[in-house]
Amino acid sequence: GEDVEQSLFLSVREGDSSVINCTYTDSSSTYLYWYKQEPGAGLQLLTYIFSNMDMKQDQRLTVLLNKKDKHLSLRIADTQTGDSAIYFCAETRYRRGSTLGRLYFGRGTQLTVWP
Amino acid sequence: DVKVTQSSRYLVKRTGEKVFLECVQDMDHENMFWYRQDPGLGLRLIYFSYDVKMKEKGDIPEGYSVSREKKERFSLILESASTNQTSMYLCASTLKEFYSNQPQHFGDGTRLSIL
Repeated sequence: GEDVEQSLFLSVREGDSSVINCTYTDSSSTYLYWYKQEPGAGLQLLTYIFSNMDMKQDQRLTVLLNKKDKHLSLRIADTQTGDSAIYFCAETRYRRGSTLGRLYFGRGTQLTVWP
Repeated sequence: DVKVTQSSRYLVKRTGEKVFLECVQDMDHENMFWYRQDPGLGLRLIYFSYDVKMKEKGDIPEGYSVSREKKERFSLILESASTNQTSMYLCASTLKEFYSNQPQHFGDGTRLSIL
């Protein structure tokens, strides 16, 4: 379908790893993004991955991309209570023959970290 | 750092009023976007603009209009506010070339209540 899909809720214990999954729709998407939204705030870019990569690591964050299945995941190692937030994945879609595009967002995964 | 500023964090208006939400960015970005965010529905694009005086409908434009008279400012207008427009509104901006790794930068949001 047209939607970017992600599960709505995830609960983990402090110190464990969190894995947030996302499936996207457009195989021609070049950049895929993970955004984080803390309560009462706007979205901040967490990390991104270019479509010619399979994996990207950035400190506690690991992004895995499976282009064949159009599956994106975000792993947070040693999850802390400060990681509690809503996490959105987003894909880029372009107009045919143009560099003009827009992002399509999933509905967001609420991550709750228990002490 | 890019700064996207939304004029109000909280706004309360009455049904039938004309409501203006203002957004200003300071990085000379060509593209600007208005989203609304509702629990469980994620971000939905209302309108966007690729340049001054240009506007395009997003996924849910009904009941809204926009104005882009200057590059740095993008206004969202609720022509006659209704209770189903109670929501969190987020503004974002980005460079014109969407294939770059330049992400969308978001404001902190305006929580609008229509009574």
